[in-house]
Amino acid sequence: DAGVTQSPTHLIKTRGQQVTLRCSPKSGHDTVSWYQQALGQGPQFIFQYYEEEERQRGNFPDRFSGHQFPNYSSELNVNALLLGDSALYLCASSPLGENEQFFGPGTRLTVL
Amino acid sequence: RKEVEQDPGPFNVPEGATVAFNCTYSNSASQSFFWYRQDCRKEPKLLMSVYSSGNEDGRFTAQLNRASQYISLLIRDSKLSDSATYLCVASGGGADGLTFGKGTHLIIQP
Repeated sequence: DAGVTQSPTHLIKTRGQQVTLRCSPKSGHDTVSWYQQALGQGPQFIFQYYEEEERQRGNFPDRFSGHQFPNYSSELNVNALLLGDSALYLCASSPLGENEQFFGPGTRLTVL
Repeated sequence: RKEVEQDPGPFNVPEGATVAFNCTYSNSASQSFFWYRQDCRKEPKLLMSVYSSGNEDGRFTAQLNRASQYISLLIRDSKLSDSATYLCVASGGGADGLTFGKGTHLIIQP
């Protein structure tokens, strides 16, 4: 039973560029959440997707957008990258309505 | 603002000792609570859920005090492999997603 998978594992971009990160949820999970974890901080909630719709959103600007596909996989897009966007981006999945979330290994984004 | 506060440590503890972490949460309407463990440069992994009645999983005991908005984690007979960052998490009550603390860094020394 595959857990949550994310790609790529590492990514280096320059300021102003755009990036797309990908996530496949754990088998049987239909809800995907994205988190940003800066160095030395706890993960910060970006948004959550269910049935291809954004259900909840944290305190992140519109440069952060997402998508969920019919197979429940999801993408996180970040436009106009800033140095401060450098972080570990974590995807977590869960069945709808359950608070326990299971995390993927993350994508480490470096913005130069 | 709905927050979770933790002592970042580091806690340096000899192998075999008992160690306790605490955290407080500001959203009195939070409904679910968890402890996650995160190893260096890895993803958080669910350690255990936390209930008002207290719950135990082997060497680990978690406790929730809703009146004081306080969560604790006790690790008995600590092992070198317990070295990690422990993240306190609250959920629900109008907050979006999981609300994480910054984590408490634990180092078990031989």
